[in-house]
Amino acid sequence: EDQVTQSPEALRLQEGESSSLNCSYTVSGLRGLFWYRQDPGKGPEFLFTLYSAGEEKEKERLKATLTKKESFLHITAPKPEDSATYLCAVSGPDKLIFGTGTRLQVFP
Amino acid sequence: KAGVTQTPRYLIKTRGQQVTLSCSPISGHRSVSWYQQTPGQGLQFLFEYFSETQRNKGNFPGRFSGRQFSNSRSEMNVSTLELGDSALYLCASSFGTQNNSPLHFGNGTRLTVT
Repeated sequence: EDQVTQSPEALRLQEGESSSLNCSYTVSGLRGLFWYRQDPGKGPEFLFTLYSAGEEKEKERLKATLTKKESFLHITAPKPEDSATYLCAVSGPDKLIFGTGTRLQVFP
Repeated sequence: KAGVTQTPRYLIKTRGQQVTLSCSPISGHRSVSWYQQTPGQGLQFLFEYFSETQRNKGNFPGRFSGRQFSNSRSEMNVSTLELGDSALYLCASSFGTQNNSPLHFGNGTRLTVT
């Protein structure tokens, strides 16, 4: 069965304390893996698309990587404004499946 | 470029009533997808429309329906509302289909059923 699992469910970091979020998946015929950021009361905002194992994408303090079984979202020296829920979504030939997200809180 | 617009932002309805939610996609986007978001279940796929045709449907009862107009604007209807329908309903548009292109979400309609 196709599924997406994100861990941890919640993460508290001190400002400047780097860490990684995990997105594990099983899907037949991966088309792509998407990362989104969602702030309270708003819709998810697109961050990255990864298409094949070994691919990496970077944006400011965020870096996403992809293997055949999982993706990591690395956050380097986070700031309080990075606090949000991070969602990953995996696409197959005819479906898109979202994980339940990691809620990140960064304290000054 | 204007983003995805959803109206209304908030709705309070009573059990048994019906509701219609509206979504205006980003100009040029032909795909509109609808999702239900609740704290316990996360984002659950409702349906996707591409060029006015329903392309895909999630596992929701027939009380949930939608349509897309020739200008790509979309509406979602829920009939005979139940308490469990209380959720944030998100619309997303994309240039290609939802499994090939990044989704651009609106800020949702918060539906409360009492």
